[in-house]
Amino acid sequence: GQSLEQPSEVTAVEGAIVQINCTYQTSGFYGLSWYQQHDGGAPTFLSYNGLDGLEETGRFSSFLSRSDSYGYLLLQELQMKDSASYFCAVRDPGSGAGSYQLTFGKGTKLSVIP
Amino acid sequence: DTGVSQNPRHKITKRGQNVTFRCDPISEHNRLYWYRQTLGQGPEFLTYFQNEAQLEKSRLLSDRFSAERPKGSFSTLEIQRTEQGDSAMYLCASSSGGALDWELFFGEGSRLTVL
Repeated sequence: GQSLEQPSEVTAVEGAIVQINCTYQTSGFYGLSWYQQHDGGAPTFLSYNGLDGLEETGRFSSFLSRSDSYGYLLLQELQMKDSASYFCAVRDPGSGAGSYQLTFGKGTKLSVIP
Repeated sequence: DTGVSQNPRHKITKRGQNVTFRCDPISEHNRLYWYRQTLGQGPEFLTYFQNEAQLEKSRLLSDRFSAERPKGSFSTLEIQRTEQGDSAMYLCASSSGGALDWELFFGEGSRLTVL
């Protein structure tokens, strides 16, 4: 089976940088993705890492270390609108390599304060 | 592109009743997923369609749950003999089926409350 661990809550100041960590245990690994979900809203895709290293998309970056089974999401120049829950997700091999199940972590609730 | 649409947005029902949710995916997306989310948890996979074929179901999915995607367009999720534990947000997502297919487009969900 799959398991993902991420902090339940993080608080950061507007304009600052925050890092949300995710460690995973999987029976097979096909990459790590991140989703953002505002209260009452739909989850939206942020990023995907299939290989080790840093992927940057605007103010958001995501990092992966497959040897450490670890990744993080880095949010820079925090804005109030970044207050949301952030989920890491891995693909569940299920019955075979062709599985399209995503297993999500429990999410990290980010609160950005003035 | 009008996004993924789900109906109804809210459903309150009594235990033992049947409920049905509908999902209209992004029109050109051939893959469709159902997830369930409870408060403080991440989305939990229920089932997956490629076109009209249901290719995967969660091993944890009760027999009371059934999903269809006739003609590979909209999908319905039916829950029979609802139980209080079925209370959750039911999320539908679609994707274009690209090589990596990590980007799922989620609807805003159908919230079910079982009394």
